[in-house]
Amino acid sequence: AQSVTQPDIHITVSEGASLELRCNYSYGATPYLFWYVQSPGQGLQLLLKYFSGDTLVQGIKGFEAEFKRSQSSFNLRKPSVHWSDAAEYFCAVVAYSSASKIIFGSGTRLSIRP
Amino acid sequence: NAGVTQTPKFRILKIGQSMTLQCTQDMNHNYMYWYRQDPGMGLKLIYYSVGAGITDKGEVPNGYNVSRSTTEDFPLRLELAAPSQTSVYFCASSPGGGNTEAFFGQGTRLTVV
Repeated sequence: AQSVTQPDIHITVSEGASLELRCNYSYGATPYLFWYVQSPGQGLQLLLKYFSGDTLVQGIKGFEAEFKRSQSSFNLRKPSVHWSDAAEYFCAVVAYSSASKIIFGSGTRLSIRP
Repeated sequence: NAGVTQTPKFRILKIGQSMTLQCTQDMNHNYMYWYRQDPGMGLKLIYYSVGAGITDKGEVPNGYNVSRSTTEDFPLRLELAAPSQTSVYFCASSPGGGNTEAFFGQGTRLTVV
């Protein structure tokens, strides 16, 4: 069965600094990969997704993520964070073999230092 | 454009009571999901459905039931509420096919006392 690991529970970065949130997945083949963001008291919103082609994908709000098959990783990056980026970020995976099930990681809470 | 609508937004239940969390979507999506979110645990899949009349268990189905009589509605039933079911519940829908975005409701915060 597929699984997702987000090793960082909470990260604090200074406004204007760069950001990288880690995501590792476990699956025998290339899965569909997603990053979602959740603002306090809200549902989840899609940031970006990868399912084939270019391994560097661009998303909304200036975020990007790189799929690395050799490391089973799909890390999220942003060159310069803004205070409004403070939120919880979830990596998710959908397997080809069970295309209906979306499995989420445990999330990383991002705080921004002024 | 309503998207995915969940009701109620908040609810307090006593142990042993039952209730139904409502979820409806107006995007004609085939796939619908119920998740629960607990602090530090991310979202755990409770049940999902790939179309009207078809449902299946997710990671944590015990204590819950679902039905899908129409494309639009996917209610989640708690029969005998327990404190362990205190959580925030999210309903989501997607067109399906694996590489498509899931759209989420605003969540229902449930407390069982």
